[in-house]
Amino acid sequence: DQQVKQNSPSLSVQEGRISILNCDYTNSMFDYFLWYKKYPAEGPTFLISISSIKDKNEDGRFTVFLNKSAKHLSLHIVPSQPGDSAVYFCAASGGYSGAGSYQLTFGKGTKLSVIP
Amino acid sequence: EAQVTQNPRYLITVTGKKLTVTCSQNMNHEYMSWYRQDPGLGLRQIYYSMNVEVTDKGDVPEGYKVSRKEKRNFPLILESPSPNQTSLYFCASSLGGNYNEQFFGPGTRLTVL
Repeated sequence: DQQVKQNSPSLSVQEGRISILNCDYTNSMFDYFLWYKKYPAEGPTFLISISSIKDKNEDGRFTVFLNKSAKHLSLHIVPSQPGDSAVYFCAASGGYSGAGSYQLTFGKGTKLSVIP
Repeated sequence: EAQVTQNPRYLITVTGKKLTVTCSQNMNHEYMSWYRQDPGLGLRQIYYSMNVEVTDKGDVPEGYKVSRKEKRNFPLILESPSPNQTSLYFCASSLGGNYNEQFFGPGTRLTVL
């Protein structure tokens, strides 16, 4: 059973517009959420995170929103740039086991293409 | 430079020939982990280690072994590789504790013929 879901395998956006990537989760024990960005032939790199005690976290052009009641989070990129073209993974962690706060459960990823 | 390194980056081998993929981090991180990435399946955890001599299974541990004899190293061992282990493998590390990000290595692309 997939605990972290990214239902859109791909997304295309014009340069300068907003990109919105979505993520849903099912495990109510998750309390920390992260977004990773991955370019081809490289490892994932951390982008931004949010704790369950917040509903928004912002870092430059990137903002993550968390709706706990809906078990939904989203990543907004404004304005989108061609260099943002990559695969974006949503990940979650929680205290459901001794190692729960360490382990990350990943979604399948969304490939973002920003068109110049 | 703070980093996670993996070797080799690319490997083609044959069924049944034992292999080891090394992983090393220079950030004094307690927690290390191995993932595999497959098309349409995202990143799935194989094994993790919370500290030296402490390892545990992730979501897809079958066919793999790990060891953590030193804090900086966390090798992944395939005793008898099979074609279904053809994948892209990532090692990651983090400080440990709550609310911390994992740092990933560059990946090892393994093909088992």
